[in-house]
Amino acid sequence: AQKITQTQPGMFVQEKEAVTLDCTYDTSDPSYGLFWYKQPSSGEMIFLIYQGSYDQQNATEGRYSLNFQKARKSANLVISASQLGDSAMYFCAMDNNAGNMLTFGGGTRLMVKP
Amino acid sequence: NAGVTQTPKFQVLKTGQSMTLQCAQDMNHNSMYWYRQDPGMGLRLIYYSASEGTTDKGEVPNGYNVSRLNKREFSLRLESAAPSQTSVYFCASTRPLRGETQYFGPGTRLLVL
Repeated sequence: AQKITQTQPGMFVQEKEAVTLDCTYDTSDPSYGLFWYKQPSSGEMIFLIYQGSYDQQNATEGRYSLNFQKARKSANLVISASQLGDSAMYFCAMDNNAGNMLTFGGGTRLMVKP
Repeated sequence: NAGVTQTPKFQVLKTGQSMTLQCAQDMNHNSMYWYRQDPGMGLRLIYYSASEGTTDKGEVPNGYNVSRLNKREFSLRLESAAPSQTSVYFCASTRPLRGETQYFGPGTRLLVL
């Protein structure tokens, strides 16, 4: 069975600073993918970034980057130059070997201070 | 292109009542999913449909039934609602391909009294 753990229930960051949101995972699948989603207070789920288990380089999408350490089974999200609009819940998720089912972590609430 | 739509947006039920949550996608996706999100928690998979004509249980299927009506539509039915089913329900769809995200609807907020 797959498991995703996000150990930081809530975090504060100063506007314009970088922040790292932690995600560790457990799976026996040889091939898998890791996703990060943002959920603002309005409730929608917004896809941010994806990392495949066999990708050689860490994924980046604008201000988002994924610090993927396969041996440690961690896939931390780094947000650079935080903005007030980054205040939201952030969820780490992993797909299964077939790539058609997601398992979600419990989420981290990020609050950006002006 | 509306993406994934869900109806209703909000519903209040009394214990024992039944209702159906509707979901439709216009992206020609093969796979569709129903999740629930309890306060302060991540999403948990209730049921999914890998392709038209198939449905499978997810992590928390008890108390729910689903119907994949056609490729576009996937409905979730609560036959006898219970207060424990108070939650936000999300529908999602995807092709699916490795690296392809699931696309989520806006959610249905359900309160069971």
